Amino acid sequence: DTVLTQSPALAVSPGERVSISCRASEGVNSYMHWYQQKPGQQPKLLIYKASNLASGVPARFSGSGSGTDFTLTIDPVEADDTATYFCQQSWNDHTFGAGTKLELK
Amino acid sequence: QVTLKESGPGILQPSQTLSLTCTFSGFSLSTYGMGVGWIRQPSGKGLEWLANIWWDDDKYYNPSLKNRLTISKDTSNNQAFLKITNVDTADTATYYCARIGGLRYFDYWGQGVMVTVSS
Repeated sequence: DTVLTQSPALAVSPGERVSISCRASEGVNSYMHWYQQKPGQQPKLLIYKASNLASGVPARFSGSGSGTDFTLTIDPVEADDTATYFCQQSWNDHTFGAGTKLELK
Repeated sequence: QVTLKESGPGILQPSQTLSLTCTFSGFSLSTYGMGVGWIRQPSGKGLEWLANIWWDDDKYYNPSLKNRLTISKDTSNNQAFLKITNVDTADTATYYCARIGGLRYFDYWGQGVMVTVSS
């Protein structure tokens, strides 16, 4: 299994920039995708194939990385961005990271 | 407009077989490159991929659960199905179905269906 490691939680102030990391236990090429999940809701696709913005997603969200290290950046953070963010690789079957809970100060 | 909706039994007993249905609209599983996947999430925990089925009836399973999973589809009725045999309390979760395309990301998700395994 390709294990994806995310930091468990982050707290930032509105207007700041935040970077959420995801490290893969082996290379996944650029087949890394990012989702946002708010409490009681289904996940929502934000970024696909490392750096491509999904339809309807604000340009405040961006993705970067390749190989084993990937980053989701939100700049600037807004109050509505309070959520858990999951990375997912699809190079070797599918696995998800454990999620990073983003809280606003 | 792409929509998906899951349905299931709600509650079942250990050792039973869980049968889930995903009814979708806005795309067809007969279209080249289209697929549907199943993902689950225990309450308060992370996401676990279970299985995918593709337009050409190719099927892929999570290796750790492969022996217990069967995915299938009914293209004419825009439905996909997942069966999990011999359930136990560890299978208690919200089950999602989602559309998947050639780059293998899940771009549209259903609202999820809660399944509880309890005696």
